[in-house]
Amino acid sequence: DIVLTQAPLSVSVTPGESASISCRSSKSLLSSKGITSLYWYLQRPGKSPQLLIYQMSNLASGVPDRFSSSGSETDFTLKISKVETEDVGVYYCGHRLEYPLTFGSGTKLEIK
Amino acid sequence: EVQLVESGGGLVQPGRSLKLSCAASGFTFSDYNMAWVRQAPKKGLEWVATISYDGSSTYYRDSVKGRFTISRDNAKSTLYLQMDSLRSEDTATYYCARHPNWGQGVMVTVSS
Repeated sequence: DIVLTQAPLSVSVTPGESASISCRSSKSLLSSKGITSLYWYLQRPGKSPQLLIYQMSNLASGVPDRFSSSGSETDFTLKISKVETEDVGVYYCGHRLEYPLTFGSGTKLEIK
Repeated sequence: EVQLVESGGGLVQPGRSLKLSCAASGFTFSDYNMAWVRQAPKKGLEWVATISYDGSSTYYRDSVKGRFTISRDNAKSTLYLQMDSLRSEDTATYYCARHPNWGQGVMVTVSS
């Protein structure tokens, strides 16, 4: 199984500042079709997860461009610029390369 | 608007069965693979099972193989998860998912 390791476990950010979350994969997430199968999700308190980023660097519909993602085949970073109070929640990375699909353990973002 | 509405959750004793349903609307159900993802209380996301758009292929995480069955009725735009031989570790909120959308989730508690 592909193991996704997220860091840090939690991050506390002042509104207007930036935050970065790391996700490391135990295996290359580059598919044979040349797509990097890495996704980022946000789960706000008491809500279902929502997709933020697909295929490593593409912003999902309706997601503000304060969110961005980059990486290689195994190391990825989600960056949130100018953090707002609505960004509070748990961020998960996940892959869709093969079964079983797996997720990182999550990074909790709090506001200072 | 895509809507995924789960139902069928509840409290069940260990070893018993439960069947979850997910009513889909707002898209052509028969065109999409569908999945169940669960989240134990205060824990992260865990993929459970996926079924292909036509029901011909199914995939399961190892811990539920032989106990859970994912199925679909394309005429009714409904996804199912039959859960047999339930264990305490199956206690979780179960989400129906059609990438990139998620339902609101349904709680399953396995306890005597």
